[in-house]
Amino acid sequence: DIQVTQSPSSLSASVGDRVTITCRASQAIRDDLGWFQQRSGKAPKRLIYAASSLQSGVPSRFSGSGSGTEFTLTISSLQPEDFATYYCLQHDNYPWTFGQGTKVEI
Amino acid sequence: EVQLVESGGGLVKPGGSLRLSCAASGFTFSVYSMNWVRQAPGKGLEWVSSISSSSNYIYYADSLKGRFTISRDNAKNSLFLQMNSLTADDTAVYYCATELRSYPGYWGQGTLVTVSS
Repeated sequence: DIQVTQSPSSLSASVGDRVTITCRASQAIRDDLGWFQQRSGKAPKRLIYAASSLQSGVPSRFSGSGSGTEFTLTISSLQPEDFATYYCLQHDNYPWTFGQGTKVEI
Repeated sequence: EVQLVESGGGLVKPGGSLRLSCAASGFTFSVYSMNWVRQAPGKGLEWVSSISSSSNYIYYADSLKGRFTISRDNAKNSLFLQMNSLTADDTAVYYCATELRSYPGYWGQGTLVTVSS
């Protein structure tokens, strides 16, 4: 099975900050990775698919990059509504695996 | 507008069974793979199962040990998850999600399954 290591597990940031979250896969997964946001008590929402493609309706301050084994989600200027938990998901091989999550806090 | 509405969750005793449903609308359900993902209280997301558009390809998480069965009815735009031999470790919110590798990438609001005596 492919393991996905997400870091950091949590971070503190302020409105306007640039935030970067990383996922590393235990083997190469091409660009078969998505990023999801989950606000407290809500369902997850996809932000990025195919490593770098922005989901329709998602603000452009979110961006994804990477391929192979290392991937990054960047929020260019953190907004109040971005305080949430973020997950990556590898879907290159079954079983699919999520990262452990990154909680972005004030 | 894409909508996914899960139902069928609730309280069940250890060893019991439950069948979850997901009613889909706002997209052409029959052409997309579908997924179930769960989240135990206070924990992260865990992929459970995927089914291809015509049910030809089905995959499960290893941890389920053959207890869960995913299915779909394209005529009724519905996805199902039959869960048997439930244990406390299966307590979670269960989310229905569309194809996550590409379009559409949407999730339902989830249904809570609690396994307890």
